[in-house]
Amino acid sequence: DTEVTQTPKHLVMGMTNKKSLKCEQHMGHRAMYWYKQKAKKPPELMFVYSYEKLSINESVPSRFSPECPNSSLLNLHLHALQPEDSALYLCASSQDLDSLYQETQYFGPGTRLLVL
Amino acid sequence: QKEVEQNSGPLSVPEGAIASLNCTYSDRVSQSFFWYRQYSGKSPELIMSIYSNGDKEDGRFTAQLNKASQYVSLLIRDSQPSDSATYLCAGGRYGGSQGNLIFGKGTKLSVKP
Repeated sequence: DTEVTQTPKHLVMGMTNKKSLKCEQHMGHRAMYWYKQKAKKPPELMFVYSYEKLSINESVPSRFSPECPNSSLLNLHLHALQPEDSALYLCASSQDLDSLYQETQYFGPGTRLLVL
Repeated sequence: QKEVEQNSGPLSVPEGAIASLNCTYSDRVSQSFFWYRQYSGKSPELIMSIYSNGDKEDGRFTAQLNKASQYVSLLIRDSQPSDSATYLCAGGRYGGSQGNLIFGKGTKLSVKP
């Protein structure tokens, strides 16, 4: 089973709202990722967690706040977003962060976010 | 040179033909490669990973890696209309932070019935 789940599937929020995206995997993976994808563009890495600790922050604005409560769950807290933040937000997981080879990443179905 | 380059297409092939998708990479990309398929509005789905020089086959799909030429390809045999999607080539990043997948811009494939 290589399933990563994400909720909600769709989200509409105003620029003053606070919302959270959730991601869950039960594959025993120890690395989890958040990506942002705009239309007709490849996914852009935002954050990487390894063993529940933040490993990579790709200079993401502070209005995006990740959280990894346990090894199966990953949240992305959103606050004071801008319309240009509207995109597909993808969660992914991999077995680990291998030192020699890039581990296979499995993507969830994504959350389509619209900021008004 | 961009780290991972793909021809954005669109690539159009008739049903039943072989579709050939190509990707080149720079020295900054480690030699672990992945092909993802992405249908419009959906998330990327892993088709195949390849780490070693040569060919790797899985059903109608064959991935080829040529490290000397810094070239990776995906062949789809007996193409079906359901294969119409954007195909993303991705590699790992050498040095730096582990966990970075470097994506090409994707090639849009259209299989005509």
